[in-house]
Amino acid sequence: DAKTTQPPSMDCAEGRAANLPCNHSTISGNEYVYWYRQIHSQGPQYIIHGLKNNETNEMASLIITEDRKSSTLILPHATLRDTAVYYCIVRVRDTGRRALTFGSGTRLQVQP
Amino acid sequence: DGGITQSPKYLFRKEGQNVTLSCEQNLNHDAMYWYRQDPGQGLRLIYYSQIVNDFQKGDIAEGYSVSREKKESFPLTVTSAQKNPTAFYLCASSTVVAVRNTGELFFGEGSRLTVL
Repeated sequence: DAKTTQPPSMDCAEGRAANLPCNHSTISGNEYVYWYRQIHSQGPQYIIHGLKNNETNEMASLIITEDRKSSTLILPHATLRDTAVYYCIVRVRDTGRRALTFGSGTRLQVQP
Repeated sequence: DGGITQSPKYLFRKEGQNVTLSCEQNLNHDAMYWYRQDPGQGLRLIYYSQIVNDFQKGDIAEGYSVSREKKESFPLTVTSAQKNPTAFYLCASSTVVAVRNTGELFFGEGSRLTVL
């Protein structure tokens, strides 16, 4: 699975959009991008995933660059409850025999 | 409500003692996983199981053991052979189809083990 690089921490003002970048320059054509978040002392929570098209759901939007070497998770109106560690994960589809690998992620602090 | 239940939430043990962490799910998921998380670090895979009576080692299986006698249960035993067992342990589950396609895992609330 391709390696990902995320900034260790970011701040965002409450009510503003939080844009969390992820670099995955070695991604291959059959690898998906997944985002999870982990609120302090809880289990991670799935947010969104995508292959090459931009995706949106009720939690967030995922923007993947045309060359697929990087992506951005967007929380359109961050709230204090969005303060968490956000993990960007790249994984090959159909590898049902392996679980996801979580790196260190980005610690997002939403400021009032 | 459907979900994953881990117990106990907090556990203390003395060095040299084995301890078993419970993980139960009522989501009818085929696959179950155990991760370990150290402070400020990501999650590392200990063991996983895709079907009853079958499981595979993850990246850091040494000093741990598991069983999968029932679909809904996947207990983890931290043995005395584990050199540094103090950590936050997370159990997760998923359908096999979800793992292959969406990659979505459902996590429990975790068990925090401290060795005194």
